[in-house]
Amino acid sequence: GEQVEQLPSILRVQEGSSASINCTYENSASNYFPWYKQEPGENPKLIIDIRSNMERKQTQGLIVLLDKKAKRFSLHITDTQPGDSAMYFCAASASYQGGRALIFGTGTTVSVSP
Amino acid sequence: GGIITQTPKFLIGQEGQKLTLKCQQNFNHDTMYWYRQDSGKGLRLIYYSITENDLQKGDLSEGYDASREKKSSFSLTVTSAQKNEMAVFLCASSMGDRGTEVFFGKGTRLTVV
Repeated sequence: GEQVEQLPSILRVQEGSSASINCTYENSASNYFPWYKQEPGENPKLIIDIRSNMERKQTQGLIVLLDKKAKRFSLHITDTQPGDSAMYFCAASASYQGGRALIFGTGTTVSVSP
Repeated sequence: GGIITQTPKFLIGQEGQKLTLKCQQNFNHDTMYWYRQDSGKGLRLIYYSITENDLQKGDLSEGYDASREKKSSFSLTVTSAQKNEMAVFLCASSMGDRGTEVFFGKGTRLTVV
C-alpha cells in the first residue's frame, strides 16, 4: 500500500528553539495533510492541517509547508515549550477501494528540555 | 462536540482466541475507522466504513473482521489472537472521507498471553 515517511523519529530540542518534522508521500492525488499530536495515554488530536491548494499555513506557533512537486510536507513548531513534548504524526489522504482514508507516518517523539 | 467511546479500555486474551472490540460515536459522523498503533510503526488502517453496513479494507485487514451495525457503532474482531501480541487499537470517525477532520477514541490496549 501507499506509504508516508516521517523523519526524524526522535527530536530533542531546547525550550525556546524551533522543531521541524518532515514527511513525504507517494500519491500525487493526495490532497489533505493533517498533523496530529498524541500525549502519553491520550488519543491523537488534530493540531493543524493543510490542503493541496495551499503551500503554507500558520496557526498559534505552528507552521506547515506543502511542496506538491516534491511530495513533501513539514511541520515547524516555533518557540517550543515543555508542553510541546509529545508524539507527532503526519498523515496524507489516500485512495482505498470504495473511498479514501488517512495514511499516517510512523511518528516523531518530540522532547523539549528547559 | 462529541465523543468516541471504545470498550474495553484494556483487553487480555489467550492465543487463538477470538476477541471483539467495540466503538461508539455520538458525532453523527458517516465514516468510521479502525487503526492499529504499534510502537515505532505509527497508525495503520485495518478497516473503515463510509456508512452503515459498508465495509472497506485497509492495509492491515488480514486477521480481522469488522462490522458497522449502525451509524454510531463500528466493531472490530481479532479472529485469532497471536501470542505475545501487544498493540493499541484506535477507533476514529469523520463527517466524510474527503479531507475532513478525523477524531480518535482513546483506544483499546490489547495484550495476548
